[in-house]
Amino acid sequence: QSVLTQPPSASGTPGQRVTISCSGSSSNIGSNTVNWYQQLPGTAPKLLIYSNNQRPSGVPDRFSGSKSGTSASLAISGLQSEDEADYYCAAWDDSLNGRYVFGTGTKVTVL
Amino acid sequence: QVQLQESGPGLVKPSETLSLTCTVSGGSVSSGSYYWSWIRQPPGKGLEWIGYIYYSGSTNYNPSLKSRVTISVDTSKNQFSLKLSSVTAADTAVYYCARGGIYDYWGQGTLVTVSS
Repeated sequence: QSVLTQPPSASGTPGQRVTISCSGSSSNIGSNTVNWYQQLPGTAPKLLIYSNNQRPSGVPDRFSGSKSGTSASLAISGLQSEDEADYYCAAWDDSLNGRYVFGTGTKVTVL
Repeated sequence: QVQLQESGPGLVKPSETLSLTCTVSGGSVSSGSYYWSWIRQPPGKGLEWIGYIYYSGSTNYNPSLKSRVTISVDTSKNQFSLKLSSVTAADTAVYYCARGGIYDYWGQGTLVTVSS
């Protein structure tokens, strides 16, 4: 029942740049900011990017976010082995009294 | 540093009510700046937002679960709770409590299995 669509997988070799897309609609990404979460195996999600392109303290600047219209993207530059994880985009959705919606998730593999 | 910790039964029978509590430390559920939320993740699947409660007691629930969900807050204990009624196997998931609106702090999660 995810409202935001992401590719199921992405991969790259160490040092490469990987980009993950997140497609939504006018009621979510089109009118609200986008957040990104990283989920390492067996752990809780961790906030990676907020307000489209802001990094919380401690998040390396290899991670960057952007938004255009009803889509957003997360870029990982200088890919490292510890970046292998699931990544989720999310945004508030103004329909149905407001709800928080997550993307379908993207598994990033470091080859 | 804000910390959240879920607690509650790990096994619930079908048709019964799932009850979980989230204890907050290093911050206050009475803060007017945040929504205190529950999010779940079925095994091997993605994240699903369940709902939130504001310190005032106002709530907002995922429409897909609204008829079965109640989230409450106990400011004296700095806790908030989730009740999900009439559970089925489809409600088996890791349940997380988290601090919203940007969900910057999460609990470690607790697996709840619905089975007889």
